[in-house]
Amino acid sequence: AQSVTQLGSHVSVSEGALVLLRCNYSSSVPPYLFWYVQYPNQGLQLLLKYTSAATLVKGINGFEAEFKKSETSFHLTKPSAHMSDAAEYFCAVSGRSSASKIIFGSGTRLSIRP
Amino acid sequence: ETGVTQSPTHLIKTRGQQVTLRCSSQSGHNTVSWYQQALGQGPQFIFQYYREEENGRGNFPPRFSGLQFPNSSSELNVNALELDDSALYLCASSFWGDTEAFFGQGTRLTVV
Repeated sequence: AQSVTQLGSHVSVSEGALVLLRCNYSSSVPPYLFWYVQYPNQGLQLLLKYTSAATLVKGINGFEAEFKKSETSFHLTKPSAHMSDAAEYFCAVSGRSSASKIIFGSGTRLSIRP
Repeated sequence: ETGVTQSPTHLIKTRGQQVTLRCSSQSGHNTVSWYQQALGQGPQFIFQYYREEENGRGNFPPRFSGLQFPNSSSELNVNALELDDSALYLCASSFWGDTEAFFGQGTRLTVV
């Protein structure tokens, strides 16, 4: 069975500050890991994905995440927050079969203070 | 823009009614998945279709059913609507074997 746990349902940072959104996963098989962003009243947009190549994954909009097998973590970071980063962020895991479903965490709402 | 379009964008139905949601996949994709996202929660997998056949299902009752057409467009049907079915329904298309799924904007269903 696979699952993800996002630590913190709401994170608030100042504009220009470091963004750190935490995600831990559980998987009995080597997983694929994803971070998605959802803006209000919109669908999901893929920020980045880990598929067993480099453990440090760079995504869009300056975000990156590091896969740490020993810690079963896949935390999302961005060095300097921008007001436009305010959104809901979802960590997700899937197996490596083409038929694998994507399992999402409960989400972390990121707020940016001016 | 992901190339995945869903219709309608919003829908209000009465408890007990039936509803059909539609999804047009991104060009070239042959796999469609549907997710239910209740307010304040992450999306939950409903089912996946590949080559017009159901190819995996989440923990949803049989009154949730689907279809995939030869052009890879898809429908989600929900019978005997319940208040708890109120949610954002997301469609995701992909190419079989790819790691990335592209999501549509979703259909917001409200059951009253």
